[in-house]
Amino acid sequence: DTGVSQNPRHKITKRGQNVTFRCDPISEHNRLYWYRQTLGQGPEFLTYFQNEAQLEKSRLLSDRFSAERPKGSFSTLEIQRTEQGDSAMYLCASSHRTGNYEQYFGPGTRLTVT
Amino acid sequence: AQKVTQAQTEISVVEKEDVTLDCVYETRDTTYYLFWYKQPPSGELVFLIRRNSFDEQNEISGRYSWNFQKSTSSFNFTITASQVVDSAVYFCALTSNSGGYQKVTFGIGTKLQVIP
Repeated sequence: DTGVSQNPRHKITKRGQNVTFRCDPISEHNRLYWYRQTLGQGPEFLTYFQNEAQLEKSRLLSDRFSAERPKGSFSTLEIQRTEQGDSAMYLCASSHRTGNYEQYFGPGTRLTVT
Repeated sequence: AQKVTQAQTEISVVEKEDVTLDCVYETRDTTYYLFWYKQPPSGELVFLIRRNSFDEQNEISGRYSWNFQKSTSSFNFTITASQVVDSAVYFCALTSNSGGYQKVTFGIGTKLQVIP
């Protein structure tokens, strides 16, 4: 079983640019999650998909953020007009619908906005 | 609202010492799940254990053990005979039925350094 993968692992961008991250969940997992983690903090929930449906969004997910999971497999997280405050590690996780709610995390994408 | 408190931000121990990481949680829900995750320097969160609110049995897995006490809303994690490879940030986390068991609330983590 391959784990959750995320690309790119690192992204450096200038303020105002748009960035897109990709997450590939564990193949049989129908649930997919995005979290943001800043230095010295735990992950904070951003949004969650069940198959292709986005079922919950945190208020942390401003209108500059959009996430998609068009075919219920991989997901993308786009940040438009990046700001320095967007600098963080963006984590993706997945879980199985018949599992006991534990989520399996990918290695994350570290975003630095200069 | 849910909350997870890990009061110890950093702990240092000498190799082979035992160490306990504290976790206190708050939730209004009667059905919930608690988790511990390990985040080594490489950055990837590794799932360690899940415990549901109806199962207060303590669990032991090798050098790891977990003590769940509903009366004090605590879910503490003990590493016995610590090793350098245990050095990491450890997160306690909570999900409950009011979030559909999908939204997980994490504590801020406890950074454990095991000194050889």
